[in-house]
Amino acid sequence: GAVVSQHPSRVICKSGTSVKIECRSLDFQATTMFWYRQFPKKSLMLMATSNEGSKATYEQGVEKDKFLINHASLTLSTLTVTSAHPEDSSFYICSATTWGDSGGYNEQFFGPGTRLTVL
Amino acid sequence: AQSVTQLDSHVSVSEGTPVLLRCNYSSSYSPSLFWYVQHPNKGLQLLLKYTSAATLVKGINGFEAEFKKSETSFHLTKPSAHMSDAAEYFCVVSDRNDYKLSFGAGTTVTVRA
Repeated sequence: GAVVSQHPSRVICKSGTSVKIECRSLDFQATTMFWYRQFPKKSLMLMATSNEGSKATYEQGVEKDKFLINHASLTLSTLTVTSAHPEDSSFYICSATTWGDSGGYNEQFFGPGTRLTVL
Repeated sequence: AQSVTQLDSHVSVSEGTPVLLRCNYSSSYSPSLFWYVQHPNKGLQLLLKYTSAATLVKGINGFEAEFKKSETSFHLTKPSAHMSDAAEYFCVVSDRNDYKLSFGAGTTVTVRA
């Protein structure tokens, strides 16, 4: 399958600072990237859908001003956690995909995730 | 709205014995169903998917799942577990309303030597 990378894999920051997480599709052009959040022992929760060149669509309950998403190219999307607080500590996972010819997304390829710890 | 319920949070099996991971789904539209595996420090990997073709779906690494509409189930099985199967498994549903993925809570599989 296609390869999706995330950087950094781990980050520790102080409360009140901002952190940027990168998601890259390494061997294909991803028209759509998704950002998920995974709590310990919990499922993945979709945060937002990011389409190249347009504003991200956020799921209900996700603060768009806190979690800034930029999808400036077909191979890169970034998630910036602004003014981070300890409750933002989590595992953030991205996926990348394209829209299928017969409708619906093609297979989503997932990055390895980024562990964010806010002190 | 769509959702999945994974009936077991943890499954422990002996190497060489069968594995069964149970999943029930709810969907307002014709669903697509998936099983993903998550190994530590690696991205989620697609094991198999059902998209309205054959109800018995074969996936990678010897896994298969059967879609049963009458039972709204999509259980994952493997006839003989291997140590490398120890991981977190997610049942996932998507419907043709918005094509987004909704994940179950996950099942942790441990394999005993």
